[in-house]
Amino acid sequence: GQNIDQPTEMTATEGAIVQINCTYQTSGFNGLFWYQQHAGEAPTFLSYNVLDGLEEKGRFSSFLSRSKGYSYLLLKELQMKDSASYLCAVRDPYSSASKIIFGSGTRLSIRP
Amino acid sequence: DTEVTQTPKHLVMGMTNKKSLKCEQHMGHRAMYWYKQKAKKPPELMFVYSYEKLSINESVPSRFSPECPNSSLLNLHLHALQPEDSALYLCASSQEGRGNQPQHFGDGTRLSIL
Repeated sequence: GQNIDQPTEMTATEGAIVQINCTYQTSGFNGLFWYQQHAGEAPTFLSYNVLDGLEEKGRFSSFLSRSKGYSYLLLKELQMKDSASYLCAVRDPYSSASKIIFGSGTRLSIRP
Repeated sequence: DTEVTQTPKHLVMGMTNKKSLKCEQHMGHRAMYWYKQKAKKPPELMFVYSYEKLSINESVPSRFSPECPNSSLLNLHLHALQPEDSALYLCASSQEGRGNQPQHFGDGTRLSIL
């Protein structure tokens, strides 16, 4: 089976850095995604990791350790618009390449 | 604006009504998905179409009936829904056969069952 854990809520200050962790227990591994979802809007793709290490994209970075079943999303220079839910999702290795399984999401609130 | 277009944005229907949700993408994606999302919960996969054929049905009740008329369109036909079916219904698409390609989501249809 698949199990994905993320903190339910986090709060951070504008201009600061925040790290959102995701741990997963899966019987196989075939890639991990991070999505951002503002309230009432569509999830939007942020990053993809399949190999160990850090992927950097502007203010956002994502890290993966396959041996530890662990990923994090790092957001720098926080802005008020970063207030959103952040969803960690792993690709299901036992179905078609298309299926992904979402964690419960982390609601991030940015305070001035 | 997203590249996956869903209509309508909002839908209110009674339990005896029949309605359809529509989704369209023109990115050439050959995999399309329906998800259901309740408030403060992650999206839950309902159906996956791959090359216009149904490849995954996550044990969804038969009152939800998907249809993929062509590679750009995905419909979800609704009949005799229950109040607990009220939710945001999201459509997504992705390139098929390439594991690193993300899913692109539409803005969803917010469905309320009276």
